[in-house]
Amino acid sequence: GAVVSQHPSWVICKSGTSVKIECRSLDFQATTMFWYRQFPKQSLMLMATSNEGSKATYEQGVEKDKFLINHASLTLSTLTVTSAHPEDSSFYICSARDEQQGASNQPQHFGDGTRLSIL
Amino acid sequence: SQKIEQNSEALNIQEGKTATLTCNYTNYSPAYLQWYRQDPGRGPVFLLLIRENEKEKRKERLKVTFDTTLKQSLFHITASQPADSATYLCALGDYKLSFGAGTTVTVRA
Repeated sequence: GAVVSQHPSWVICKSGTSVKIECRSLDFQATTMFWYRQFPKQSLMLMATSNEGSKATYEQGVEKDKFLINHASLTLSTLTVTSAHPEDSSFYICSARDEQQGASNQPQHFGDGTRLSIL
Repeated sequence: SQKIEQNSEALNIQEGKTATLTCNYTNYSPAYLQWYRQDPGRGPVFLLLIRENEKEKRKERLKVTFDTTLKQSLFHITASQPADSATYLCALGDYKLSFGAGTTVTVRA
């Protein structure tokens, strides 16, 4: 089945550091990937849609200069949290659809998430 | 505004019983609805998708119903097992998904 790999799984760093998270589709190509954030006991909130070869689309209220997204290939999207602060601490998850399956009503395949803790 | 409500935050049941979870939505006209399972510290895993013209869908011990008039989906786990303990999320959307907050199911042995 379709597998999405996310790395790293856990990051602890000092305030002011920039952190990069990678999301890879291992056995399928994805022109579009999605980035979510999840706070404890809350729902997944879509942050942005990552588009291969073009700019990401950000949801309302998400700072594009804070959360830089790069989708340079059909199997890799990266999310960089710039100048991270404690309030950015959260669980970040990416997902992608296997677009070769065709219709948009295909399920999304999720990575295992990255736990980001800013001290 | 659009809302997805899973109106049980937690559900504790005895092994072997049926767990029933509810997902209600407002201001959506979905062509289909999805259910995912999420274990602690992991990403969601797809379970079932049901289309608007389908009343019911089954997969092994899982059953989903979809009532577009009531704007509600029910998710059933029959003959529940401790391994079914997890958070279950319903999701709507065509291209981009919106999720409910989830219901955490704990199955006691």
